[in-house]
Amino acid sequence: DQQVKQNSPSLSVQEGRISILNCDYTNSMFDYFLWYKKYPAEGPTFLISISSIKDKNEDGRFTVFLNKSAKHLSLHIVPSQPGDSAVYFCAAKGGNTPLVFGKGTRLSVIA
Amino acid sequence: KAGVTQTPRYLIKTRGQQVTLSCSPISGHRSVSWYQQTPGQGLQFLFEYFSETQRNKGNFPGRFSGRQFSNSRSEMNVSTLELGDSALYLCASSLALGAGDTQYFGPGTRLTVL
Repeated sequence: DQQVKQNSPSLSVQEGRISILNCDYTNSMFDYFLWYKKYPAEGPTFLISISSIKDKNEDGRFTVFLNKSAKHLSLHIVPSQPGDSAVYFCAAKGGNTPLVFGKGTRLSVIA
Repeated sequence: KAGVTQTPRYLIKTRGQQVTLSCSPISGHRSVSWYQQTPGQGLQFLFEYFSETQRNKGNFPGRFSGRQFSNSRSEMNVSTLELGDSALYLCASSLALGAGDTQYFGPGTRLTVL
């Protein structure tokens, strides 16, 4: 049973445009959500997080939106740059439970 | 502040052997978690330690074990290696196990089982 789903395995975006990566979750106990970026043969790098008491969090070019009623979150990258090309993982946790990851979305930013 | 370090970075073993992987967390972090990543899969949770105690365990066979030392460093061991154990093993550390504690990852150990 996949509790965190990233339904798009891949996404291609032109440089300078907006990238929108989506994530759905099923466990209503999740209250903290994170996005990680991963390059091949490296560990994931933390990008941005959001607590369930918020519906939006911004950090530079990255914004995460949380819709609790729909159990959906999204990561917006504006403007997209070639260096953003990587695999993006959505993750969620609730209380002291382990972090649960989606299977990732491969973003390709085309110059 | 130094990040999470993992040793070794690469390892080649044969079926039936055992292996030990090491993880040093960020200074001050008391929680360490381990994950397995295989092609096409997300990160599969192995186990999580805080203050030398295993707090959570994922759905992996007993061949996979781990421990945490008093200085928060952690090791994981896989015995009787199988071909399917070939994967990137990732360690992450966080300050504690609270809901808002962000996990920071090391570079991983790439294990190949022949």
